[in-house]
Amino acid sequence: EIVMTQSPATLSVSLGERATLSCRASQSISSNLAWYQLKPGQAPRLLIHGASTRAADIPARISGSGSGTEFTLTISSLQSEDFAVYYCQQFNNWPLVTFGGGTKVEIK
Amino acid sequence: QVQLVQSGAEVKKPGASVKVSCQASGYTFVNYGIMWVRQTPGQGLEWMGWISSYNLKTNYAQKFQDRVTMTTDTSTRTSYMELRSLTSDDTAVYYCARSYGDYGSYWGQGTLVTVSS
Repeated sequence: EIVMTQSPATLSVSLGERATLSCRASQSISSNLAWYQLKPGQAPRLLIHGASTRAADIPARISGSGSGTEFTLTISSLQSEDFAVYYCQQFNNWPLVTFGGGTKVEIK
Repeated sequence: QVQLVQSGAEVKKPGASVKVSCQASGYTFVNYGIMWVRQTPGQGLEWMGWISSYNLKTNYAQKFQDRVTMTTDTSTRTSYMELRSLTSDDTAVYYCARSYGDYGSYWGQGTLVTVSS
């Protein structure tokens, strides 16, 4: 099983600041990675697929990068609606799909 | 617009089964499959499996292989996930998502399943 490790577990950021979230795979997954945003009581939202392709209607301030084993989700200027939990997911080893443990982005 | 609407919350006793539904709208149903993911309290997300809406083939996570069944009724655009032999560890929010089998592009609102005696 490919283990996905996200860091940090919690990120405290002020409005307007940059947030950088990391996701590391235990072995190479090429670019077969997606990022999601989860908020309590809401449907999860796909942000990024293919490691760097923004999903429909995702603002340009949200970007993804990386390949192989190291990946980053960057929110360039945090807005109030960005405070949430973020998960990465690998699908390189389908159907052995795995998620990271999540990063909570909270208001500083 | 694409929507996936799931059935309501369930409370089950240990050893029972639960069947969660997921009705899709707003896209050509047979062009995508449905994946199921759960989120347990205090834990992250866990992939359970995927069913093709085109040929109804399934792929299950090994962890759930023996006690999960995913089905789809293409006439009503509804997919179902049944989990048997429930224990307290199965208490979770269960999500469906539209998927080719890789990532979930649109998700349902989630169904809380509580297992308690």
